[in-house]
Amino acid sequence: AQKVTQAQTEISVVEKEDVTLDCVYETRDTTYYLFWYKQPPSGELVFLIRRNSFDEQNEISGRYSWNFQKSTSSFNFTITASQVVDSAVYFCALSELYSGGGADGLTFGKGTHLIIQP
Amino acid sequence: GAVVSQHPSWVICKSGTSVKIECRSLDFQATTMFWYRQFPKQSLMLMATSNEGSKATYEQGVEKDKFLINHASLTLSTLTVTSAHPEDSSFYICSASRRTSGSLAGELFFGEGSRLTVL
Repeated sequence: AQKVTQAQTEISVVEKEDVTLDCVYETRDTTYYLFWYKQPPSGELVFLIRRNSFDEQNEISGRYSWNFQKSTSSFNFTITASQVVDSAVYFCALSELYSGGGADGLTFGKGTHLIIQP
Repeated sequence: GAVVSQHPSWVICKSGTSVKIECRSLDFQATTMFWYRQFPKQSLMLMATSNEGSKATYEQGVEKDKFLINHASLTLSTLTVTSAHPEDSSFYICSASRRTSGSLAGELFFGEGSRLTVL
């Protein structure tokens, strides 16, 4: 069975601070995908990143960076120089890696509510 | 980028009525569509997986007679909440998978979600 744990229910920081959102996962699959999504108050899910289990390279995209550590089954997300617009609920998710171009449903963590105070 | 559209975006209905939510992939053919439910301040839970032309596969604990899923074409899946009750009030989100040649897994695209309120 797959499981995603986001232990931080809510984080509140002051604008311009750096903040890291933790994600720990469990899976019996040797190949899998990890995701991060942002959900603003409007409800739609905004895709941030997808990383497959073969690729442990860290990734940086502007103020966002992700640290994938297979040894600790973690896929943490860091926002540097946070801004008020970053306020949202952030979900980490996991899915099985299908061959042949298919896809699997996602197992989501409970989400972390990030509050950036001006 | 690929777009997945849900309709209606919000609906209010009386207890006992049935509500249909549509999920359309606007610019690609979706071989697989997924339906999720999200209660307020909670996570998204996968309800079912539907493949075009075949019966949906429901997750454990999801009543298939309550939540009817039809995936009649490669661009449309529908979720019908039958005889809705207040406890069915939730945010329902669909996602569609676009098969990608040369890739190990299809790309996933989410709809905007449909908020159901049952009075």
